[in-house]
Amino acid sequence: AQSVTQPDIHITVSEGASLELRCNYSYGATPYLFWYVQSPGQGLQLLLKYFSGDTLVQGIKGFEAEFKRSQSSFNLRKPSVHWSDAAEYFCAVAGDPGANNLFFGTGTRLTVIP
Amino acid sequence: GAVVSQHPSWVICKSGTSVKIECRSLDFQATTMFWYRQFPKQSLMLMATSNEGSKATYEQGVEKDKFLINHASLTLSTLTVTSAHPEDSSFYICSARALSRANVLTFGAGSRLTVL
Repeated sequence: AQSVTQPDIHITVSEGASLELRCNYSYGATPYLFWYVQSPGQGLQLLLKYFSGDTLVQGIKGFEAEFKRSQSSFNLRKPSVHWSDAAEYFCAVAGDPGANNLFFGTGTRLTVIP
Repeated sequence: GAVVSQHPSWVICKSGTSVKIECRSLDFQATTMFWYRQFPKQSLMLMATSNEGSKATYEQGVEKDKFLINHASLTLSTLTVTSAHPEDSSFYICSARALSRANVLTFGAGSRLTVL
């Protein structure tokens, strides 16, 4: 059965520090992987996605993620966090690039302290 | 860019009443819209997929008579929670896919339903 695990429910980092949000997935076929960010009062915004090719993908707002098939992971990283990055982050997997059936993780809430 | 609007963003209703939530694509035509439900501290769960002009496809375990979905136009899908009960209280989120951008999903900001 498919599943997405985000082990960290809540992470607090200082502004300017680096960030890594973990995501592990279980999927029976070729996974299409996504990271979304949800800010209060706003819809989920796509940060980046991995379909194939280079396993290090660059996204918006300075985020990147690395697909590691051997570890079934798709961790999100940012070298220097800004206060505006405080939000809820969701990792998701689908069986097709159109994301017809997105399966989400439980999310990681990021708090940024000055 | 593509924008999806959900209305209302927050609704409180009495048990036994029905509530309608709208999902509109403001600047594009959405052939497909998805409805999700999010419980506190849990992930978004896909409830149903709706295609314009046809019946919605519901995920296993979702009561189609309870959650009525209508996608009557290329810019509007509605979710009606019929005879709502406190256990239906949740955060409902829609997403839409444009006809011309098959691999792009745009999400609404969500609608929080509280049933008293």
